[in-house]
Amino acid sequence: AQSVTQLGSHVSVSEGALVLLRCNYSSSVPPYLFWYVQYPNQGLQLLLKYTSAATLVKGINGFEAEFKKSETSFHLTKPSAHMSDAAEYFCAVSASGTYKYIFGTGTRLKVLA
Amino acid sequence: KAGVTQTPRYLIKTRGQQVTLSCSPISGHRSVSWYQQTPGQGLQFLFEYFSETQRNKGNFPGRFSGRQFSNSRSEMNVSTLELGDSALYLCASSLGQGARTDTQYFGPGTRLTVL
Repeated sequence: AQSVTQLGSHVSVSEGALVLLRCNYSSSVPPYLFWYVQYPNQGLQLLLKYTSAATLVKGINGFEAEFKKSETSFHLTKPSAHMSDAAEYFCAVSASGTYKYIFGTGTRLKVLA
Repeated sequence: KAGVTQTPRYLIKTRGQQVTLSCSPISGHRSVSWYQQTPGQGLQFLFEYFSETQRNKGNFPGRFSGRQFSNSRSEMNVSTLELGDSALYLCASSLGQGARTDTQYFGPGTRLTVL
C-alpha cells in the first residue's frame, strides 16, 4: 500500500525567501510521485513528477523536488518565493495495481510581502 | 490543445435530489478519473473509467456512480444527495495506457452545495 504525508498544513514565507514544502511517502513498490498546485477556485495543476529517471526533478514556475529514497522524501523547493506562489500544494503517489493517485492532505503556502 | 472541461462549475441542490456532473477530457485521452475534495477529507478517489469501463473504484457508497461514453466524455451521478456530499468534484484525464507514470490533468472542478 502507498501513502503520502505532508508535514505542515500551513507554511508562511517572506517574498524572496526559500520555499520548502515537505512530503514523505510510504510505498512497497518503487514510487511514482507528483506535486500539484491548486489556486483558489481552480483545479489542480501539475508542477512536476518523479518517474525514476532522475532524482532531481525540475518543474514549472521555478519549483524543483528531490527524490531521496533513504529518507523516503520528495520535498518541493523554490529558491525565491513570489507573491503569486500563494496557493495550496499537494503531493501524490501513484498507487500500485490501480490507476489512481493517493494525495497528501495539502500544504497551504502564504507569501508575506 | 484544450484542457479538461467540467460542467457545470457550480451547482446547488437540496437533500434527496440527484445530480449529474459532466467532464470532457483532453483530446486523445482515454482515461477519466473523478475525485471528491472536501476540507475534512481532502482529495479522495471516486472512480476511474477507461474505454467506457470502470477500471477502479474508491470507497464511496453506491449512490455515487459514473459512466463514460465512446468519445471518452464522462459523467458522474450522485443520487439521494446528503449534506455531506457538498464538495468540489474534480475530473482528471490521462492517456490511460496503464503505466503508473501516466500523468493526470485536472479540470477546474464542479462545486456542489447541498442544502
